[in-house]
Amino acid sequence: GESVGLHLPTLSVQEGDNSIINCAYSNSASDYFIWYKQESGKGPQFIIDIRSNMDKRQGQRVTVLLNKTVKHLSLQIAATQPGDSAVYFCAVRPNFGNEKLTFGTGTRLTIIP
Amino acid sequence: DAMVIQNPRYQVTQFGKPVTLSCSQTLNHNVMYWYQQKSSQAPKLLFHYYDKDFNNEADTPDNFQSRRPNTSFCFLDIRSPGLGDAAMYLCATSLDPGATQYFGPGTRLLVL
Repeated sequence: GESVGLHLPTLSVQEGDNSIINCAYSNSASDYFIWYKQESGKGPQFIIDIRSNMDKRQGQRVTVLLNKTVKHLSLQIAATQPGDSAVYFCAVRPNFGNEKLTFGTGTRLTIIP
Repeated sequence: DAMVIQNPRYQVTQFGKPVTLSCSQTLNHNVMYWYQQKSSQAPKLLFHYYDKDFNNEADTPDNFQSRRPNTSFCFLDIRSPGLGDAAMYLCATSLDPGATQYFGPGTRLLVL
């Protein structure tokens, strides 16, 4: 089966600094990875995704890095803003065509003004 | 805008009193999912529909049922809510199995 962990349950970052949230997964056949942001009282919001044939993907202020060798995924947020404060989940698809996602336990990111 | 809508946003029910949560989508996605999320935990998949095909998770209690009368709507029925069923219930959709899932805002259920 798949287990997905996050290295730190909480992370505090000064506003304007960069933040890095990490995620480890166990199944080497996993082929699709998603980062979600969940603000208090709201549903998870899609941020960025990456497929296993890539090792880096960039969005607006966010970058996802994938290291398949060590089965590690990270989300980098540049120039953090107060609105970035939320819980971030990584989600992993165990293999191609599998409709289920395995969610990590979540990291609570707090941006300090 | 295309979206996933959940009603109500907050639901209060009594112990043992059946309750139905609803989800609708304008994305025309083939797959609809129901998740349960308790405080400070990751979402837990209860079941999903791929078109009309229902797929139940092995550890989903029989107390939880679902209906999908058409492509746009999906319902979560809790037949006899217990105190332990108080949680946020999230609906998600994806175009096809394995595609990106998009979540609704959730319904927070309180059981008295």
